[in-house]
Amino acid sequence: QQQVKQSPQSLIVQKGGISIINCAYENTAFDYFPWYQQFPGKGPALLIAIRPDVSEKKEGRFTISFNKSAKQFSLHIMDSQPGDSATYFCAASRGAGNMLTFGGGTRLMVKP
Amino acid sequence: NAGVMQNPRHLVRRRGQEARLRCSPMKGHSHVYWYRQLPEEGLKFMVYLQKENIIDESGMPKERFSAEFPKEGPSILRIQQVVRGDSAAYFCASSPGENTEAFFGQGTRLTVV
Repeated sequence: QQQVKQSPQSLIVQKGGISIINCAYENTAFDYFPWYQQFPGKGPALLIAIRPDVSEKKEGRFTISFNKSAKQFSLHIMDSQPGDSATYFCAASRGAGNMLTFGGGTRLMVKP
Repeated sequence: NAGVMQNPRHLVRRRGQEARLRCSPMKGHSHVYWYRQLPEEGLKFMVYLQKENIIDESGMPKERFSAEFPKEGPSILRIQQVVRGDSAAYFCASSPGENTEAFFGQGTRLTVV
């Protein structure tokens, strides 16, 4: 009930391409869905977040798409750059709280 | 305004020893969260504290683990009688309020030998 499943585990994209990472959740009480970016040796940093009252949110090259009926959400990174190479985590919580349930992570490599 | 400070960054303990991990939240932040990240896995919530109070410890193992956030000083995550399976990265995050953005520290990487 508390799980968030993330795919793929790893992703290789050419520079300029689109990176797509998908997550699915089970707990319908979740109402806050953030994405985090983590570089090696660093802590996760909030990238972008969405609430279920909207189906899409865009910030620069990063877009979250949200499908409430399917209980799925995804991160799209447009015009992917080598500097985007990192591990990305989706997460979910209730009431926008910080007791987050994280997905397993996606290791993204953007090739020059 | 310094970020969330965790120390030590790396900690090596022998099996059976105690590990103490410290977290100094950002200035003005009174909410602290501890997470554990096993190798090649996502972060798992452990405990949520507010000054002098444990708000939610549903992710804490029932034995050997404890956490505190005193009125003065950093938050402490304490692991007694460590075992190899405790080897992980432990992250602390802090926020100014319950439903405001939390910022993560760089983590403490615990290795049990």
